[in-house]
Amino acid sequence: DQQVKQNSPSLSVQEGRISILNCDYTNSMFDYFLWYKKYPAEGPTFLISISSIKDKNEDGRFTVFLNKSAKHLSLHIVPSQPGDSAVYFCAASALGGGSEKLVFGKGMKLTVNP
Amino acid sequence: NAGVMQNPRHLVRRRGQEARLRCSPMKGHSHVYWYRQLPEEGLKFMVYLQKENIIDESGMPKERFSAEFPKEGPSILRIQQVVRGDSAAYFCASSTRAEAFFGQGTRLTVV
Repeated sequence: DQQVKQNSPSLSVQEGRISILNCDYTNSMFDYFLWYKKYPAEGPTFLISISSIKDKNEDGRFTVFLNKSAKHLSLHIVPSQPGDSAVYFCAASALGGGSEKLVFGKGMKLTVNP
Repeated sequence: NAGVMQNPRHLVRRRGQEARLRCSPMKGHSHVYWYRQLPEEGLKFMVYLQKENIIDESGMPKERFSAEFPKEGPSILRIQQVVRGDSAAYFCASSTRAEAFFGQGTRLTVV
């Protein structure tokens, strides 16, 4: 029962272009969403989050969009840089429902080519 | 995430031995999560603990696995009688209400 889905395992983009990473969820109780970035042999690092009361949150080159009716969120990175190459995990939690545990997708490997 | 300390970073155990993984959360954090990442898989939730209390262990295998977070000292994830399928990276995170900070993980290899 995969409640958070990242259907594309990998994405390759050119430096300077936009990277769009997608994530779908099935649990309507989720009300807080996060993106994490992970390099090999390291723990995930928090990137950006969004509450369900918003539909967009921006932090520098990173923007997360949330479409509640479609149960879909996306992470936009623009412009993409080679250092952005990593595995990106989408995560969700149901803070309002009292469950703070994060449910993760399987991840997507982003490669940014110079 | 440098504040969450996990040790050891690498652990090798023979089948049937016990594995103990330790996690010290960030200062001031009283909640700890354990996640497991199997090869080619994402991060799978195992257990969520508060000091001296297990809040959610719905992701823990029913046998051989246990976790604790005592009043003093680190959180411990204990795997008894390890099997090859337990080989994975185990990540600990400590959290505020809305953000989890991860440690660098313990890579367990069962031979």
